[in-house]
Amino acid sequence: GESVGLHLPTLSVQEGDNSIINCAYSNSASDYFIWYKQESGKGPQFIIDIRSNMDKRQGQRVTVLLNKTVKHLSLQIAATQPGDSAVYFCAENANYGGSQGNLIFGKGTKLSVKP
Amino acid sequence: EAGVTQSPTHLIKTRGQQATLRCSPISGHTSVYWYQQALGLGLQFLLWYDEGEERNRGNFPPRFSGRQFPNYSSELNVNALELEDSALYLCASSLVSNEKLFFGSGTQLSVL
Repeated sequence: GESVGLHLPTLSVQEGDNSIINCAYSNSASDYFIWYKQESGKGPQFIIDIRSNMDKRQGQRVTVLLNKTVKHLSLQIAATQPGDSAVYFCAENANYGGSQGNLIFGKGTKLSVKP
Repeated sequence: EAGVTQSPTHLIKTRGQQATLRCSPISGHTSVYWYQQALGLGLQFLLWYDEGEERNRGNFPPRFSGRQFPNYSSELNVNALELEDSALYLCASSLVSNEKLFFGSGTQLSVL
């Protein structure tokens, strides 16, 4: 599995501002991507997903952008609120080799929203 | 509709003992997944069950095992517990394999 350090990347934003959380994925053959939000003491909560045949998908206050050329995924949160404070994980469906079928999670980014 | 439920919420064991963790998926979901999340780390894939069969396992030793029952609930067993097995164990289920997983709140396993 992936090796992750103890210190998560942190993004600190002011309430009301837009947030952009970035993620680099590992495999060009991945065809499905998903973002999760994890609050302290809880399991990850689904935010939004996107397939590789799309570049952009919008949800309520969130937008996911996919750049397959550079294997980059981003999550944009509009008008960030204190309740958005959490750790955000991206995941890819890495359908290859020994990882066939399961979601591979990124390292996570901690979002802190200042009131 | 009930979400994914896991039990127990917390489990304390000593080194060498065995732990059993349980998971009930969302009604109608046949795929169940287990992930390990050590403190401050990301989610590491452990096991995937679908229709009662183990479909894939992550890079974990054989003392991590499990099963899925006819009602699609699942059990994760960890034998010969080691201190580094202390982690949050998350179960998830999905309607379509490996898409839009819904997670439970996890079982916090502490090995002393």
